[in-house]
Amino acid sequence: DQQVKQNSPSLSVQEGRISILNCDYTNSMFDYFLWYKKYPAEGPTFLISISSIKDKNEDGRFTVFLNKSAKHLSLHIVPSQPGDSAVYFCAATFGNEKLTFGTGTRLTIIP
Amino acid sequence: NAGVTQTPKFRVLKTGQSMTLLCAQDMNHEYMYWYRQDPGMGLRLIHYSVGEGTTAKGEVPDGYNVSRLKKQNFLLGLESAAPSQTSVYFCASSYREPHIQYFGAGTRLSVL
Repeated sequence: DQQVKQNSPSLSVQEGRISILNCDYTNSMFDYFLWYKKYPAEGPTFLISISSIKDKNEDGRFTVFLNKSAKHLSLHIVPSQPGDSAVYFCAATFGNEKLTFGTGTRLTIIP
Repeated sequence: NAGVTQTPKFRVLKTGQSMTLLCAQDMNHEYMYWYRQDPGMGLRLIHYSVGEGTTAKGEVPDGYNVSRLKKQNFLLGLESAAPSQTSVYFCASSYREPHIQYFGAGTRLSVL
């Protein structure tokens, strides 16, 4: 039972354009959501997060949007840069000790 | 500042062999986690610990054991390795809540 889903395995975006990565979840109890970024041969690193009491959180070029009624969150990267090429995982939790991760989306920024 | 260190980085085992993966963190974090990453499956939680001397099962615990005798170390054991345990293993730690976890660089394990 995949509670956190990233339906796009890969995405290619031109440098300077907007990258939009999507994530859907099924568990309405989730109250905190995160995005992690992973380069090859490295561990994932935390990127940005959002609480369920908000619908938007912004940090520089990165913005996460949460639509609770649709059980959907998205990560916007503007403008996209070559260094953004990586695998992005969304994750969710509901107040306990564990995160549930999605399957990841590989983002490729085309120069 | 080392953060989270995993040892070894690579290992090849034969079916039935045993091994221990070591995770060490120097951030005085309470929580520690072991994940495995397989193609198309994302990160799946094997076991985790909410403090020294505690362990709990995650999503895919079968075939693995863990121990947290010291706060800074979290060991993952495979008693009798199987080809299905071929994967990349990641250790992570967090201070209190699970929201921001810090990951090691991973251990690539092949079981032949």
